Formats: sequence, structure tokens, C-alpha cells
Amino acid sequence: DTEVTQTPKHLVMGMTNKKSLKCEQHMGHRAMYWYKQKAKKPPELMFVYSYEKLSINESVPSRFSPECPNSSLLNLHLHALQPEDSALYLCASSQEGNSPLHFGNGTRLTVT
Amino acid sequence: GESVGLHLPTLSVQEGDNSIINCAYSNSASDYFIWYKQESGKGPQFIIDIRSNMDKRQGQRVTVLLNKTVKHLSLQIAATQPGDSAVYFCAESTGFQKLVFGTGTRLLVSP
Repeated sequence: DTEVTQTPKHLVMGMTNKKSLKCEQHMGHRAMYWYKQKAKKPPELMFVYSYEKLSINESVPSRFSPECPNSSLLNLHLHALQPEDSALYLCASSQEGNSPLHFGNGTRLTVT
Repeated sequence: GESVGLHLPTLSVQEGDNSIINCAYSNSASDYFIWYKQESGKGPQFIIDIRSNMDKRQGQRVTVLLNKTVKHLSLQIAATQPGDSAVYFCAESTGFQKLVFGTGTRLLVSP
């Protein structure tokens, strides 16, 4: 079991839908991350939050909107996605500075 | 630009053998490196890390070697077991919370 919990595990949405991915950690980590992983590819960084403030946005399209309501929660709001956005979306958290990222098991997103 | 790559996309070993997974990186400013294991349907799982002021670090059955001169990282797994079968990723960081993953190596362990 992972200490980073992601919900839902699977999500199917149409291109006109609005949905949200949720992530929660209770390790006291102050940095939280969203990564996107396509099949047979490495995870790619999307966003980083540090102390609940967005610190890195890797030029992600605006149809992906992150939110960090508090130090334990991280959301990713999805709107008007494209089929090519289908992927595994991974959340991670870490302590500040050079320290390992702890990943959840991801949300498998399919856009139809 | 930054890039992290692996020489071998698939490594097949027999149970009990030692496995070596290699990784090349190009960003000389990277000062922190991590190896992750990813099993099917799961997120990456931390295995071991190493900072740039070290050249070797050992864990339980695993050893990471760092050669900064040639920008090379390796993961050695002793007495490989079927449960070690997974995709292994190296990742590098320059210390600004930007962790870049390499392309991954699939390790297949046969009994």
C-alpha cells in the first residue's frame, strides 16, 4: 500500500465533461506533484506545489487546472480534454529539498 | 537540454543472478539521483537514492553507483528474484523539485 492515496483509480470522461482527480497524503510533506505517464513511457512532470503555492508549471495546457486546498490535498481539475490526454496521472509528495518523491498508484484516465 | 537515458530497454536474467541496470544523464548540474521500480498498475516505488557528493550507496540487495566523470548511474540488484521483475527508472534532479525520469528498463526474471 502507498502512503499517497489517489482517487478515483479509473476514470472515463467525454471531451465535454468536467472532472477532478484527487490526491491525499498524511506524511507532513510540503511539496506535492502531478505527473503524467503514457504507456511504456516515463512519468513527465506537470505541476509542483510547494507550501501550497504553485512553484512549477511545465507549460501544461489550461484544460488541466491544479489546486492545493491544504498541505495534505492536491486536486487536478479537468475540462475539455482530448483523447490524447488519456494516460496514467500520478500524484507524489516529498519533503523540501533533495528527497525522494513518494508516489500514489495513479488514476487511469480515458478520454472518449 | 536535460535528458536521462538508459542503454538497455529490456534485461532478462535468471533467478539468483545479479542484475545491473545502467543509466546515462546529460545534465552536469544534477546533484541528486533516484532509482524507482514500477510494477504493472502501480506508481513508481522508491528503491534507493544517491547525492552527487557520493559515488556508491548500498541498500538491502541493491547498490547504486554514480560516475560523475562520464555522467553514468547504475543499479545493481544482488540475487535477483522473480518479484524484482518490473520497469526500473533512474531519475535526476538539480535540487529545484524538478525530477526528470529516464526512459526505463524492463527487468524480466525467470525462475
